[in-house]
Amino acid sequence: DQQVKQNSPSLSVQEGRISILNCDYTNSMFDYFLWYKKYPAEGPTFLISISSIKDKNEDGRFTVFLNKSAKHLSLHIVPSQPGDSAVYFCAATNNNDMRFGAGTRLTVKP
Amino acid sequence: KAGVTQTPRYLIKTRGQQVTLSCSPISGHRSVSWYQQTPGQGLQFLFEYFSETQRNKGNFPGRFSGRQFSNSRSEMNVSTLELGDSALYLCASSLNPGQPNSPLHFGNGTRLTVT
Repeated sequence: DQQVKQNSPSLSVQEGRISILNCDYTNSMFDYFLWYKKYPAEGPTFLISISSIKDKNEDGRFTVFLNKSAKHLSLHIVPSQPGDSAVYFCAATNNNDMRFGAGTRLTVKP
Repeated sequence: KAGVTQTPRYLIKTRGQQVTLSCSPISGHRSVSWYQQTPGQGLQFLFEYFSETQRNKGNFPGRFSGRQFSNSRSEMNVSTLELGDSALYLCASSLNPGQPNSPLHFGNGTRLTVT
């Protein structure tokens, strides 16, 4: 069962604009959420995370928003850069294993 | 500090064969998790090992098994390979299992092709 869902398989934005990647989850027991970024031929790398006790976490150009009542989180990248082009995975954990979404391929056009 | 190392990088096997993949975690990391990545399915959790014990297991058939050694290195085995087992197998290590603020560090994966 897909407990973490990323319904957009791909997203294309212009350089300098905002990229918004979305993620939904079904398990209310998840209490920590993470975003990973993956380039071709490499393993995913950790990008940013948020605890369920917060609704926003910011790190430079990257901000993650959490809406617990809607079981929804999003990753905002501002401004987007061509080097941000990669597959982004949303992940959730409840102190047990970590569950991942199917990923969204972001393409940032120069 | 060396990252997570997975060997081999690529593997081609035929149906019915078995395969063993290897993973060396970051030094000091005692938790190792395995994931299968296929197009459209994202990263599917296989299992997690900590201190040589399986801590969690995903929804994969018994043909998929793993183990962890005293030096934290881990192996995963797939027996009686099927075409659908073709995927990228990713290993990840972390410092503290079950600690949400202890992110996973992934290796570059083993690309398995079953013909």
